[in-house]
Amino acid sequence: QSALTQPASVSGSPGQSITISCTGTSSDVGDYNYVSWYQQHPGKAPKLMIYDVSNRPSGVSNRFSGSKSGNTASLTISGLQAEDEADYYCSSYTSSITLVFGGGTKLTVL
Amino acid sequence: QVQLQESGPGLVKPSETLSLTCAVSGYSISSGYYWGWIRQPPGKGLEWIGSIFHIGSPYYNPSLKSRVTISVDTSKNQFSLKLRSVTAADTAVYYCARGPKSTRYFDYWGQGTLVTVSS
Repeated sequence: QSALTQPASVSGSPGQSITISCTGTSSDVGDYNYVSWYQQHPGKAPKLMIYDVSNRPSGVSNRFSGSKSGNTASLTISGLQAEDEADYYCSSYTSSITLVFGGGTKLTVL
Repeated sequence: QVQLQESGPGLVKPSETLSLTCAVSGYSISSGYYWGWIRQPPGKGLEWIGSIFHIGSPYYNPSLKSRVTISVDTSKNQFSLKLRSVTAADTAVYYCARGPKSTRYFDYWGQGTLVTVSS
């Protein structure tokens, strides 16, 4: 299975909105509404931010939202804050009952 | 509060077997859910290794399937990872995590443990 494709980096100023894309295939992202997003600060374990494309776990800010169109999923962070600076990973369930991650995107808050 | 804690040797020799255990507290493994292992080489991205339900067959990453075994010990409320014939490419931080719905996502993660493969 091939890793999902994410941009290596994105940046934005405080208060702005940014979107991170995650492109897969018809065997993963395109075929299932089972895309999730994780936030990872340096030296820390990943934290689940979005599951099943657009659902937020309890305690996650509503500034984080997810969507999907075809083979591409997206994570949008609105009202960017300094604490949002981190690495973000998408993942998707696949037709082989496996899980595949994206390569990760480094978010810089200017 | 669900908590997961990885344990095992931090250094493994090439060609040997990497063995890690994940102790779960705050939730009984036998109550359900999936339990998985994910790794992250230094400075690189996440890679799913495999997941297992509290009963039933595990699911593995095809690229690692020939070398991996994941098992559950409900009596100790823990699950384990064995990775055989390791090389330097297996050096990574290894995380254990809980998956509420098959291999769809993980909601609780351990803090991770660094395993270095070196002679």
